[in-house]
Amino acid sequence: AQSVTQPDIHITVSEGASLELRCNYSYGATPYLFWYVQSPGQGLQLLLKYFSGDTLVQGIKGFEAEFKRSQSSFNLRKPSVHWSDAAEYFCAVGPNNNDMRFGAGTRLTVKP
Amino acid sequence: DAGVTQSPTHLIKTRGQQVTLRCSPKSGHDTVSWYQQALGQGPQFIFQYYEEEERQRGNFPDRFSGHQFPNYSSELNVNALLLGDSALYLCASSPGLAGVYEQYFGPGTRLTVT
Repeated sequence: AQSVTQPDIHITVSEGASLELRCNYSYGATPYLFWYVQSPGQGLQLLLKYFSGDTLVQGIKGFEAEFKRSQSSFNLRKPSVHWSDAAEYFCAVGPNNNDMRFGAGTRLTVKP
Repeated sequence: DAGVTQSPTHLIKTRGQQVTLRCSPKSGHDTVSWYQQALGQGPQFIFQYYEEEERQRGNFPDRFSGHQFPNYSSELNVNALLLGDSALYLCASSPGLAGVYEQYFGPGTRLTVT
């Protein structure tokens, strides 16, 4: 079945530490891939996206993600987390051009 | 340049009632998609409108319907509300040919069904 999996429901990291959020998908072909961030009560802000080309994608706020076709993964990384990064992070997949499927999200808590 | 706007911000309805949510797309965008985000979950695709027609639909019952106007704005209608319809409803817009790759989200409408 087609799916988007974010294995970690909740992650806690210390401020200044590195971060990696995992995302795996199950679709036939390479879909469009996205990472969004959502602060409490807010809409979704796009961090980065990928469709083709260089498999290491740079986004806003110092985030990057790497597409690994062999692992069907699109993990999000940041070398040094700031307290303002605390939020909910969603991986999303566009199996075609007209709809988007989201993972269940990973809640990030940043310890001072 | 205004982004995607949605109204109202919050809404409280009773079971069995009907509700209409509104969305104005980002300037230059002609495609509108709607998503439902239940508490603690990721958004789920409801449907997408382009050229005033429903172009694609997710796994939602017919109680969920929509409309797109000539100015590209859109409405989401939900009939016979159930408690389970309580959610944040997100609207997203994009330029028609770019699809989800150039999709921008609005702030959402929080619907509470009592």
